[in-house]
Amino acid sequence: EAGVAQSPRYKIIEKRQSVAFWCNPISGHATLYWYQQILGQGPKLLIQFQNNGVVDDSQLPKDRFSAERLKGVDSTLKIQPAKLEDSAVYLCASSDYDRFVSYEQYFGPGTRLTVT
Amino acid sequence: AQRVTQPEKLLSVFKGAPVELKCNYSYSGSPELFWYVQYSRQRLQLLLRHISRESIKGFTADLNKGETSFHLKKPFAQEEDSAMYYCALSGTQGGSEKLVFGKGTKLTVNP
Repeated sequence: EAGVAQSPRYKIIEKRQSVAFWCNPISGHATLYWYQQILGQGPKLLIQFQNNGVVDDSQLPKDRFSAERLKGVDSTLKIQPAKLEDSAVYLCASSDYDRFVSYEQYFGPGTRLTVT
Repeated sequence: AQRVTQPEKLLSVFKGAPVELKCNYSYSGSPELFWYVQYSRQRLQLLLRHISRESIKGFTADLNKGETSFHLKKPFAQEEDSAMYYCALSGTQGGSEKLVFGKGTKLTVNP
């Protein structure tokens, strides 16, 4: 099966500019996640979608970050305006869903963002 | 709050030597623990999970609730085991299930 797709793979922007990332999950996966991975750290969950509804966005800096999942499939993550500390790899992951089971998360290749 | 600690940032062993990557966690409920691995130029992927109680690529991990640990072990390391390893905990927080990762350990297996 095709894996999680993300684009672009790399992005360099100046601070205060805007940027958007796109994710296409594995077909049929109800749950989609966006993670931020800063150099030297593990992935940190930014937002979790169940179909097209938000399950958890407690760690999303909502003053500058936004995300949506159209029709419960593809998702976009936007940063506006970007700050230097937003430089990181942004990972998208998807999984099946069952309220009683934690399913394996499948990760995309990530988008490496550099803010100068 | 959920927390995962991997005390070693770097770990270097020789081929054929035993290897143990440490992971400690903090969680008030009944946790589900995972090890994810990222090989060079590859995606982050699941290596194993404690409920499966299986050995993957020769690796095993036992959940020790008394010591709140989930260390990853392999009796004889191979060069292809060189990778970044992340311990992760799945627990319910704020009504939703969340995966929390440690900072990772970079394992290098020398020939």
